[in-house]
Amino acid sequence: QSALTQPPSASGSPGQSVTISCTGTSSDVGGYNYVSWYQQHPGKAPKLMIYEVSKRPSGVPDRFSGSKSGNTASLTVSGLQAEDEADYHCSSYAGSNTPYVFGTGTKVTVL
Amino acid sequence: EVQLVETGGGLIQPGGSLRLSCAASGFTVSSIYMSWVRQAPGKGLEWVSVIYSGGSTSYADSVKGRFTISRDNSKNTLYLQMNSLRAEDTAVYYCARGNWNERTVDSWGQGTLVTVSS
Repeated sequence: QSALTQPPSASGSPGQSVTISCTGTSSDVGGYNYVSWYQQHPGKAPKLMIYEVSKRPSGVPDRFSGSKSGNTASLTVSGLQAEDEADYHCSSYAGSNTPYVFGTGTKVTVL
Repeated sequence: EVQLVETGGGLIQPGGSLRLSCAASGFTVSSIYMSWVRQAPGKGLEWVSVIYSGGSTSYADSVKGRFTISRDNSKNTLYLQMNSLRAEDTAVYYCARGNWNERTVDSWGQGTLVTVSS
């Protein structure tokens, strides 16, 4: 199972929006509505931000939203804030033998 | 409160063995599926292995035949036995609690660093 493809970096000014893509195949992203997004600050463990393509866990601001079309999922961060500067990783379910396929990761910079 | 605490990382020579532990609290490890996920320096996350509530296991191709995942229900602890370690196994290893209904990791440990080098 190959890693999902994400752009290495993305950036935006405070208050702007940034969208990150996550491209897989019909065996993972395209085959299931089980795409998650994780935020990771330097030296810290990842934190779940989006699950099942577009659902937010309790406590995650509604500035974070997710979507999917075909084999590509997207995470949008609206109204960028300084604390949103972090690495973002997508993942998809790909069957019981491979419960998680992760993306290559995207570093988001708030200019 | 859910808590996962990994221990056992360190510096090990190529070809050596190491066992990682993940002590869980706030839930029962045998009741859900648990995974190990690793992150090489400066790289993305990589799923390593899973153990389901029924005891079945699965491994990434990169570690199959070398790593073994297990759990001790009496200690509420998850393990990863790593044999025949290679330089490319160098990474921070995270213990990850899975939510089956959502097919997602809803809790992560703080990670433990494994460095394979001579």
